[in-house]
Amino acid sequence: AQKVTQAQTEISVVEKEDVTLDCVYETRDTTYYLFWYKQPPSGELVFLIRRNSFDEQNEISGRYSWNFQKSTSSFNFTITASQVVDSAVYFCALSEAPSSASKIIFGSGTRLSIRP
Amino acid sequence: SQTIHQWPATLVQPVGSPLSLECTVEGTSNPNLYWYRQAAGRGLQLLFYSVGIGQISSEVPQNLSASRPQDRQFILSSKKLLLSDSGFYLCACPNEGPRYGYTFGSGTRLTVV
Repeated sequence: AQKVTQAQTEISVVEKEDVTLDCVYETRDTTYYLFWYKQPPSGELVFLIRRNSFDEQNEISGRYSWNFQKSTSSFNFTITASQVVDSAVYFCALSEAPSSASKIIFGSGTRLSIRP
Repeated sequence: SQTIHQWPATLVQPVGSPLSLECTVEGTSNPNLYWYRQAAGRGLQLLFYSVGIGQISSEVPQNLSASRPQDRQFILSSKKLLLSDSGFYLCACPNEGPRYGYTFGSGTRLTVV
């Protein structure tokens, strides 16, 4: 069975600090996708990144970076020089390879609060 | 690219009343469609998914049901709402293209009183 674990329920840091959100996943599939979504207070889900299981290259997008390590089944997300606008709930998610269902399984989310 | 429309945005319903939430998709054909629920302060739970017209798979036993009467229409229903049905309901479908994830609707915030 697939499972995504975000052990950090809530994180609070002061603005400009770096913060890392942890994500550990379980799957028996050899091909799968990993995602990060941001949910601001307004409630909509904002897509941040998708990673294919065959691509372990880390990625950086501005202040955001992602560290994918298959050996530890982790897909961690780091925000550098955090800003108040980064405050949101962040979800890590896992999807099986394209198939008839391709369900996405979400972690329980990490609520990130950035204090000015 | 796809667009998902969900309505209503907010809903307050009494216990025991029926429910019908609608999700429609534009910009794609024959998509997989998903209903998720987010209880207050909790994560997203997959309720139902559909791979085509009339095809519904349920992920968790519950008071809700889903239907897909048309290719781009996905409906979440209940005959009698429970307090525990309160939450934020989101409809989703996969994006087309190799780079992107899934598109979500703007959600319906349901409060059962």
